[in-house]
Amino acid sequence: SQQGEEDPQALSIQEGENATMNCSYKTSINNLQWYRQNSGRGLVHLILIRSNEREKHSGRLRVTLDTSKKSSSLLITASRAADTASYFCATSGSRLTFGEGTQLTVNP
Amino acid sequence: DTAVSQTPKYLVTQMGNDKSIKCEQNLGHDTMYWYKQDSKKFLKIMFSYNNKELIINETVPNRFSPKSPDKAHLNLHINSLELGDSAVYFCASSQWRSLDEKLFFGSGTQLSVL
Repeated sequence: SQQGEEDPQALSIQEGENATMNCSYKTSINNLQWYRQNSGRGLVHLILIRSNEREKHSGRLRVTLDTSKKSSSLLITASRAADTASYFCATSGSRLTFGEGTQLTVNP
Repeated sequence: DTAVSQTPKYLVTQMGNDKSIKCEQNLGHDTMYWYKQDSKKFLKIMFSYNNKELIINETVPNRFSPKSPDKAHLNLHINSLELGDSAVYFCASSQWRSLDEKLFFGSGTQLSVL
């Protein structure tokens, strides 16, 4: 069965607001990664958090990981129209497995 | 320079035809992948090669045959195309490490089977 599941499936916000996306997974992992996919393009790696880390920052991105709840969240602060994309979590165990993604729309 | 490039970007063909998609990476990675993304954006791994050796072979019809002539190239050949094969196919590469495996993706090949 699918490893990662993102929530919500779609999110629409205004520019300047924060966007939070959640990911839940089922089995133990080595690390969890977040990717972005712009329309008609391939996925681009954003950030990786290891199983022994709880929080990580990269620019306007903040990722948390709770291995006891098997969940992660991606927070994008001060969103911009250019952040409009699909965001996927991917869990690394024996192989990298992707969730179904959250479609984020940032309205100018 | 494009890191992972795949061709063609669009492929429209009739049912029953045979087609190939090519992928090349110039990142010096030793592992390459094919993923299939369906209309709901669900991304599913199909194959993976490490140093030209097949290491992941998911439950994929044997009409799909990957070929890796060297570690910088991974091609996908599809025989007897079916309507259900319509999807976007992504090539990706990585440097094989057990804990830090980040993937670099190509821009995708949109396959439409009519």
